[in-house]
Amino acid sequence: DAGVTQSPTHLIKTRGQHVTLRCSPISGHKSVSWYQQVLGQGPQFIFQYYEKEERGRGNFPDRFSARQFPNYSSELNVNALLLGDSALYLCASSPWGERVNQPQHFGDGTRLSIL
Amino acid sequence: DQQVKQNSPSLSVQEGRISILNCDYTNSMFDYFLWYKKYPAEGPTFLISISSIKDKNEDGRFTVFLNKSAKHLSLHIVPSQPGDSAVYFCAASGGTNAGKSTFGDGTTLTVKP
Repeated sequence: DAGVTQSPTHLIKTRGQHVTLRCSPISGHKSVSWYQQVLGQGPQFIFQYYEKEERGRGNFPDRFSARQFPNYSSELNVNALLLGDSALYLCASSPWGERVNQPQHFGDGTRLSIL
Repeated sequence: DQQVKQNSPSLSVQEGRISILNCDYTNSMFDYFLWYKKYPAEGPTFLISISSIKDKNEDGRFTVFLNKSAKHLSLHIVPSQPGDSAVYFCAASGGTNAGKSTFGDGTTLTVKP
C-alpha cells in the first residue's frame, strides 16, 4: 500500500513568491496535518484538516493557508515567502481526526528553500 | 516556551547495550505521548506510544515509561542495534487528537558496532 506522498520533493523560491505544496494521505485516512521542520528542531504543527474542515491551526501567520479536497488530499499554500520559511514541510495522515488516540503516518516532506 | 523538551541532543551507545532517551513536558493537558524515529531524507516513522492512563508500554525491544508526576517520559531500547541509529523525536498531544502533536527537538542516537 502506498504511504503518504508529497510533491514536490524539493523546491526553490525567491522572497515574495508564493508556493503550493501537495499531499496525498494513505488510502482510507481522513485526517491530514501539516508540520514545518526547521533544521535542528522538531516538527512544528501548522494545520490539521479532517473531513475537509480545519480542525486546528498552529502559531503561524495568515500567509499560511491550507485546504483538503473531497478525496482527502491536501494543499498547503504559503504567500509572500520570507527567508525564514525555508524548511522541510511534512504532511501526516491518520484514519481519524479526534476522539481516538492514534499515531500519524508521515510523508518524506518537501524541502523548501527561499533565496 | 517549549512544551516538550529533549535535553540531550545526542547519545552514543555500544551495540548490545541499553539506550535511554529522555523527554520532559510542561503542559498538564497532554495525555498521549509518542516516539518517532527519523532517518535522513525520510519522514518520521512511528515507533511506540503511551496513554496517560498507563506508566509503561512495551513493543519488542522498545519500552516507553511515563512518570506523570514528574512530567517525564523515557524510551528504552534493549539491546541497541546499529540500525537503530537515527534521530528520535518525542511528541505529545491532548484531547485525543494526536493530529496536533507537539514535538521535541530530537535526540540523535548513534549505536556503535
